[in-house]
Amino acid sequence: AQKVTQAQTEISVVEKEDVTLDCVYETRDTTYYLFWYKQPPSGELVFLIRRNSFDEQNEISGRYSWNFQKSTSSFNFTITASQVVDSAVYFCALSEGRETSGSRLTFGEGTQLTVNP
Amino acid sequence: GAGVSQSPSNKVTEKGKDVELRCDPISGHTALYWYRQSLGQGLEFLIYFQGNSAPDKSGLPSDRFSAERTGGSVSTLTIQRTQQEDSAVYLCASSFRGQPGEKLFFGSGTQLSVL
Repeated sequence: AQKVTQAQTEISVVEKEDVTLDCVYETRDTTYYLFWYKQPPSGELVFLIRRNSFDEQNEISGRYSWNFQKSTSSFNFTITASQVVDSAVYFCALSEGRETSGSRLTFGEGTQLTVNP
Repeated sequence: GAGVSQSPSNKVTEKGKDVELRCDPISGHTALYWYRQSLGQGLEFLIYFQGNSAPDKSGLPSDRFSAERTGGSVSTLTIQRTQQEDSAVYLCASSFRGQPGEKLFFGSGTQLSVL
């Protein structure tokens, strides 16, 4: 069965610091997809990124970057020069390539990030 | 609609009562998912709909929980004889065709409190 582990329950940083959120996953499938979602205080989950298991290229989007390493089954998320608006719960999630489950996601426990001014 | 809409946003009920939670997915999305978010429990999958059928309902915690979807659109999650442990935020999501790896779009959830 698939599993996602986010070992960091809470992280607190000061504005402008860089912060990395860790994500480790387990799956027996060779085809799978990894996601990061952000949940601000309003409660609605916001999609940030998706990677498939065949694409290990790291990705950068503005202040956000993602490091996907199959060798360590990790998909870490870094925020550079953090801002107060980045304060939220961040979820890492895994979707396996089985059509009977659609794009069902298995989520990690989430990391509460607090960025202090 | 423009996004996934859930109602009510908050529901307070007494133990033993039945409740119905509604989800209106993004127009044209054939796949619909229900999740439950409890304090300290993370996000827990409940059920997946493709059209009006539910090929994966493996996450429903007990036979007090049921869900249906009509017209390939609106879905209702029903909890019978509610218990205090049912208190949680119930999130609905939809995706375009339910293909593996598709992005899920989430609603704002229904906060259920069972007294």
